[in-house]
Amino acid sequence: DIQMTQSPSSLSASVGDRVTITCRASQNINNYLNWYQQKPGKVPKPLISSVSSLQSGVPSRFSASGSGTDFTLTISSLQPEDFATYYCQQSYSFPTFGPGTKVEIK
Amino acid sequence: EVQLVESGGGLVQPGGSLKLSCAASGFTFSESALHWVRQVSGKGLEWVGRIRSKANNYATAYGESVKGRFTISRDDLKKTTYLQMNSLKTEDTAVYYCTRHLDLFDIWGLGTLVTVSS
Repeated sequence: DIQMTQSPSSLSASVGDRVTITCRASQNINNYLNWYQQKPGKVPKPLISSVSSLQSGVPSRFSASGSGTDFTLTISSLQPEDFATYYCQQSYSFPTFGPGTKVEIK
Repeated sequence: EVQLVESGGGLVQPGGSLKLSCAASGFTFSESALHWVRQVSGKGLEWVGRIRSKANNYATAYGESVKGRFTISRDDLKKTTYLQMNSLKTEDTAVYYCTRHLDLFDIWGLGTLVTVSS
């Protein structure tokens, strides 16, 4: 199985901050990397597919990049509704998720 | 409206069985790969397994932690996928989500809670 790691596991930030989350795969997954946002008690929301393609309705302050094994999700100016847990997920082989990064209010 | 609706969760004893259902609407179910993903309370997401479309021979695959105990099936006429869970363990306690996969998991149900406890 392909293992996914994320860093940091949690972070505290203020509204307006730029936030970057890193995701690493245990082997090359090409561009098969997706990101999700999950708020407490809610269903995961798909944010970005294929490394950098924003899903419909996702604000442009979200962006992502990477290749091979190393990927990043960036929120350019954190908004109150962005406080949540973010998961990366690879679909190169049987799907696996990263452990999540919790973005908390500072 | 595009949606997936899970049902069938509940309390079951260790070693018992439970069958979850996931009913779809609003999209072409028969052409879709359907997956099950679970989440222990306060923890991360774990892929359980998937079933592909008829065009892909209804191929199934499972995560290591459930292989040999769980079985996924589907009924395209009823637009429903199923997760049969046997030999349940306490560590199977989680919310179980049904989700469609295209480029990513783009449609999710609200989930159904399975509690395995004596």
